[in-house]
Amino acid sequence: AQSVSQHNHHVILSEAASLELGCNYSYGGTVNLFWYVQYPGQHLQLLLKYFSGDPLVKGIKGFEAEFIKSKFSFNLRKPSVQWSDTAEYFCAVLSGNTGKLIFGQGTTLQVKP
Amino acid sequence: EAQVTQNPRYLITVTGKKLTVTCSQNMNHEYMSWYRQDPGLGLRQIYYSMNVEVTDKGDVPEGYKVSRKEKRNFPLILESPSPNQTSLYFCASNRIGGNTEAFFGQGTRLTVV
Repeated sequence: AQSVSQHNHHVILSEAASLELGCNYSYGGTVNLFWYVQYPGQHLQLLLKYFSGDPLVKGIKGFEAEFIKSKFSFNLRKPSVQWSDTAEYFCAVLSGNTGKLIFGQGTTLQVKP
Repeated sequence: EAQVTQNPRYLITVTGKKLTVTCSQNMNHEYMSWYRQDPGLGLRQIYYSMNVEVTDKGDVPEGYKVSRKEKRNFPLILESPSPNQTSLYFCASNRIGGNTEAFFGQGTRLTVV
């Protein structure tokens, strides 16, 4: 069965620290990969997406992610976090064949000023 | 503007009182789906539809119904809501096939007392 696993459920960092959130998926077909962010009390917002090509993708607000096909991973990174990055982050995989979007469990990021 | 419109944004209801949450998209997408978001569980798919008059159960369909009489609309129906259906609900739509991403509604926060 298709699944998405996020390694970290709750991460606490100080401002200016570097961030890496792990995401692994299991699916053998064509996939489109996403990271979403949800700020407190708000709806989902797309951070970045990967369809094909350069495995290092850049998104909004200084975030980037690297697709490693051999590891079925799509980890999210940011060199220096800010207090305003406090939010919940979701990795997701969309099957190109079926249209189904599967989410990881989410990672709550708390950035201390 | 491409968008998914969900209504209402907030709803408080009593156990057993039937309710409908509406969802409409203007992108002519084939695939529409409903998710519920609960702390620690991420977003789980309730029902999905791959086209008009084609609907199927997702991962957590119990207690919900949907319909897809028109391509743009995909309402979520709770015939007899119960407190365990208190949650944050999202509607989404996307194309099927190729490089595609999902578009989300603003969310509906439902409380069943």
